Amino acid sequence: DAGVIQSPRHEVTEMGQEVTLRCKPISGHDYLFWYRQTMMRGLELLIYFNNNVPIDDSGMPEDRFSAKMPNASFSTLKIQPSEPRDSAVYFCASSLGGRGGAEDTQYFGPGTRLTVL
Amino acid sequence: AQKVTQAQTEISVVEKEDVTLDCVYETRDTTYYLFWYKQPPSGELVFLIRRNSFDEQNEISGRYSWNFQKSTSSFNFTITASQVVDSAVYFCALRDLYTGANSKLTFGKGITLSVRP
Repeated sequence: DAGVIQSPRHEVTEMGQEVTLRCKPISGHDYLFWYRQTMMRGLELLIYFNNNVPIDDSGMPEDRFSAKMPNASFSTLKIQPSEPRDSAVYFCASSLGGRGGAEDTQYFGPGTRLTVL
Repeated sequence: AQKVTQAQTEISVVEKEDVTLDCVYETRDTTYYLFWYKQPPSGELVFLIRRNSFDEQNEISGRYSWNFQKSTSSFNFTITASQVVDSAVYFCALRDLYTGANSKLTFGKGITLSVRP
């Protein structure tokens, strides 16, 4: 089975440009998570969805960040306008469930390394 | 609030040595889940193990073993006869079931393990 798929793997853009990161969760998984990893802050949860509905977006740093999940097999994280401090690795993860039990294990995609110049 | 502490930041060993990675956690809940993930140099996050708070049995998987001790709030990870391919950053994570955000994982800062030939 395919794991979580993310694209692009690397993105280099200039300050002020719009950036869109994409994620395809594991088929059948009901939960999808977006994380950001930086040296300073480590791994931070930005937002997560359950059955395509955003449940908790308290980790989204500011209004420049937005995330959508139009269907069960696709999600986007958009940054507009991008800033150099947004440079990080962005991970998408999915899980089968979220209320306890083995199905709540989160499986991560390979990440998107974003560099904003 | 939940917290995960990985006090060791970097460990360097010679191949075939045993190495233990420490993880100490804090939570108010009696029901919680602990995880270890591996992040090799290629950057992806690989799930290694999940353990719930009701199961204190130690687990062994090949050269990997985990020691869960509720009395000291620790969930330590030992690699026996380390190999160069074990070189990676290892993250410990905690998920508890506090109201309102069932699926949040809190990660430690990670331990960078270098195994020299």
